[in-house]
Amino acid sequence: SAVISQKPSRDICQRGTSLTIQCQVDSQVTMMFWYRQQPGQSLTLIATANQGSEATYESGFVIDKFPISRPNLTFSTLTVSNMSPEDSSIYLCSVGQKGEQYFGPGTRLTVT
Amino acid sequence: EDKVVQSPLSLVVHEGDTVTLNCSYEVTNFRSLLWYKQEKKAPTFLFMLTSSGIEKKSGRLSSILDKKELFSILNITATQTGDSAVYLCAVESGSNYQLIWGAGTKLIIKP
Repeated sequence: SAVISQKPSRDICQRGTSLTIQCQVDSQVTMMFWYRQQPGQSLTLIATANQGSEATYESGFVIDKFPISRPNLTFSTLTVSNMSPEDSSIYLCSVGQKGEQYFGPGTRLTVT
Repeated sequence: EDKVVQSPLSLVVHEGDTVTLNCSYEVTNFRSLLWYKQEKKAPTFLFMLTSSGIEKKSGRLSSILDKKELFSILNITATQTGDSAVYLCAVESGSNYQLIWGAGTKLIIKP
């Protein structure tokens, strides 16, 4: 299975600022996914990031708020822009491999 | 609308008990059903099921899929306190690895 790292593991940010989360995979993967998990909730898919094309966003998520980069087959970033306390969540990246999906360790974001 | 429903939402048992977690689904283009264990932040992969009636087993955990009745169960025998976690069920619908997630079952094992 793929080994995925995420940075930062946690952060506390002020309202109105932005945070960029990095996701690194130890092998080349076609599809990478970004999820959000709000306290006490299940996972919600934000977008799918394919290398060489624009990310595909799910309903309720927009590029201006959550810009995503995917410069190559092993790396992606998610930016949470103009943050508000409602953005406090765990953010997870994942990759699909042979039908299975593996997750990075997650980033716990708290917005004050 | 595609959906995945897990039950119960929470469960408290004593160490040594056997538990059965349920996952039912309604999706338009089923490809696979996956079980994950989430303890802190990242879900860790347990099983992927694609065929009906074939049990997958890993130690004290096992799972089976019924594609006719559209559900899966996850069994944990001889539970230990380390089994305490949220267990998530997800269904892959379509060909792009996107998963539809259930709300999870929070399992607490008391010593």
